[in-house]
Amino acid sequence: EDKVVQSPLSLVVHEGDTVTLNCSYEVTNFRSLLWYKQEKKAPTFLFMLTSSGIEKKSGRLSSILDKKELSSILNITATQTGDSAIYLCAVGYNNNDMRFGAGTRLTVKP
Amino acid sequence: NAGVTQTPKFQVLKTGQSMTLQCAQDMNHEYMSWYRQDPGMGLRLIHYSVGAGITDQGEVPNGYNVSRSTTEDFPLRLLSAAPSQTSVYFCASSPYGQAPHYGYTFGSGTRLTVV
Repeated sequence: EDKVVQSPLSLVVHEGDTVTLNCSYEVTNFRSLLWYKQEKKAPTFLFMLTSSGIEKKSGRLSSILDKKELSSILNITATQTGDSAIYLCAVGYNNNDMRFGAGTRLTVKP
Repeated sequence: NAGVTQTPKFQVLKTGQSMTLQCAQDMNHEYMSWYRQDPGMGLRLIHYSVGAGITDQGEVPNGYNVSRSTTEDFPLRLLSAAPSQTSVYFCASSPYGQAPHYGYTFGSGTRLTVV
């Protein structure tokens, strides 16, 4: 069965800490892995990783895809309270299939 | 630039009632989809469409119908509401019809409670 597993489920850190969020997957015909940030309402797109683009960086956030290990990490350095959110990992596979993980709830304390 | 607009934002239904959740996008996106989000289970795909006149089932389609008569609109119908359909519903769109793997634009969600 196709699945996407995120860990940890929740994480509490203090401002300035560095965090690493994990996403592993088992799907057929992998196409892409995407990270989203969900604050109060709708998820917003962060990164997309594919076989031809396995590392992305934007400011304090970066993500790496490990196709051999079927996993990805999302790193956030120098965390701020505004980084508090649920981080969702989604994997695109086959033609139109997309499966989300359950998410990691990150809380950044002042 | 409205993006993806969902209505209503909140709804309470009685068991057995029917209703339609509305979704409209103004970005000329080919791909549109409906997800439900439940605690601890992430987002699960209900139905999707790769273009006007084309729809298909996702992971949890039972109890829901969709249609796509125009590129802009993708309504989700609950046929006979059940408490198990209590959830937050998101509509999402993507520019590419055959490969929604480039990132979705999500609507702001509809919180549905079935009593």
